[in-house]
Amino acid sequence: AQSVTQLGSHVSVSEGALVLLRCNYSSSVPPYLFWYVQYPNQGLQLLLKYTSAATLVKGINGFEAEFKKSETSFHLTKPSAHMSDAAEYFCAVSATVGDKIIFGKGTRLHILP
Amino acid sequence: GAVVSQHPSRVICKSGTSVKIECRSLDFQATTMFWYRQFPKQSLMLMATSNEGSKATYEQGVEKDKFLINHASLTLSTLTVTSAHPEDSSFYICSARDPTGAGAGANVLTFGAGSRLTVL
Repeated sequence: AQSVTQLGSHVSVSEGALVLLRCNYSSSVPPYLFWYVQYPNQGLQLLLKYTSAATLVKGINGFEAEFKKSETSFHLTKPSAHMSDAAEYFCAVSATVGDKIIFGKGTRLHILP
Repeated sequence: GAVVSQHPSRVICKSGTSVKIECRSLDFQATTMFWYRQFPKQSLMLMATSNEGSKATYEQGVEKDKFLINHASLTLSTLTVTSAHPEDSSFYICSARDPTGAGAGANVLTFGAGSRLTVL
């Protein structure tokens, strides 16, 4: 079975500061890992995904994540936060191509002016 | 890129009535679609996997008779909430995977914009 744990239901950073959203996974097989973003009352948008290629994955809007097998982590970072980054972020995992995706509980990112 | 459309985006109904939500893949054929439910300020919970031409696969704890799923074509899956009650009020989101996706498109689910159901 697969699962993800997101540390911190709320994270606040100042505009221009580093964004770090934490995600740890559990999987009995090599996982596919994802980060999605959700703006209020909207669906989900894929930020980036890891599919066993490069361990450092670059996504949209300046976000990137690094897969660390030894730490079972897939933390999301962005060097400089922007006000428009305020949203809910979900880490997710699936076992194989086309398999159902299991989501973490989400982290709400607040950007302070 | 792949687009998934959900309709309606918002629906309000009286307790005891049934509500149908449609999920369409607009520019690709999806043999599999997924239905999620999201309570306010919570994560997405997978309800069921919708398989074209066959019965849906429900997650544990989801009532099959309550949440009817029909995947009659390669571009349409419907979720019907039968005899809705206030506790069924939620944000329902569908997603679909383009089976022809390769490389960057492989194993990427495209999500609809969601349907907010309010049962009075």
